[in-house]
Amino acid sequence: DADVTQTPRNRITKTGKRIMLECSQTKGHDRMYWYRQDPGLGLQLIYYSFDVKDINKGEISDGYSVSRQAQAKFSLSLESAIPNQTALYFCATSERGSPDTQYFGPGTRLTVL
Amino acid sequence: GDSVTQMEGPVTLSEEAFLTINCTYTATGYPSLFWYVQYPGEGLQLLLKATKADDKGSNKGFEATYRKETTSFHLEKGSVQVSDSAVYFCALSEDYGQNFVFGPGTRLSVLP
Repeated sequence: DADVTQTPRNRITKTGKRIMLECSQTKGHDRMYWYRQDPGLGLQLIYYSFDVKDINKGEISDGYSVSRQAQAKFSLSLESAIPNQTALYFCATSERGSPDTQYFGPGTRLTVL
Repeated sequence: GDSVTQMEGPVTLSEEAFLTINCTYTATGYPSLFWYVQYPGEGLQLLLKATKADDKGSNKGFEATYRKETTSFHLEKGSVQVSDSAVYFCALSEDYGQNFVFGPGTRLSVLP
C-alpha cells in the first residue's frame, strides 16, 4: 500500500463549486504539505502543517483552505472553484527529524470548467 | 526571494548517452539542494540531495555537486536508460525544510 494517498485522483467540476481534496499518510510524519503543479512552473506551496494545531499559508494560499483533521489527514478545499485553479495537486509529508526530505502522493488532477 | 532555474526541456537522448541537466539557484542563505524525479502518473520522489557546499549527492547512477561559487547543482548520469524517462525537478530548501522552492522541471525522454 502507498504511504501517501490522495483522493480523488481525478476530478472535473464547474466554476463556483466547492471541492475537497483529501490526503492520508501512514508514514507517521508530523509535517504535511499541499502543492499545485502547473506546466512550466514547477510546484508551488499552497499550505503546510507542522502538526495538527500548526497550519501555515504558503506562497499561493488565496482561494484555498485546509484542515488537519488528524496527524495522518490533511485536506485541501476550494470554496468556490475557478478555472485558473485547474492544475495537478500534490500532497507531501516529511518527518520532524528530517524535514528536508519530502514524500509525495500520486497527485490529484483537478479540472474546473 | 529564493528561486531555482533549470534548463528548458524536453531533453531527448539515446540509451547509454551522457546526461546533464543544468540547475542554478538564488538564495539568501545557505540552502540544501535537491533533485526530485517524477515518473509518469506518479508523485515526486527524492533522487538525491546535498546540504552544504562541495557535497556530492548520488543515487541510481545520478550525481550532482553543490557548487556555491557558481550557485549550481547540475544533474549528471554517465549512461541513461529508457527507464530514466521522467521529469526532473531541482529544488532548494532554506529554514531546514520549512519552505521548498522547486524549479519548473525538465522532461527527459530516452529512446532505445
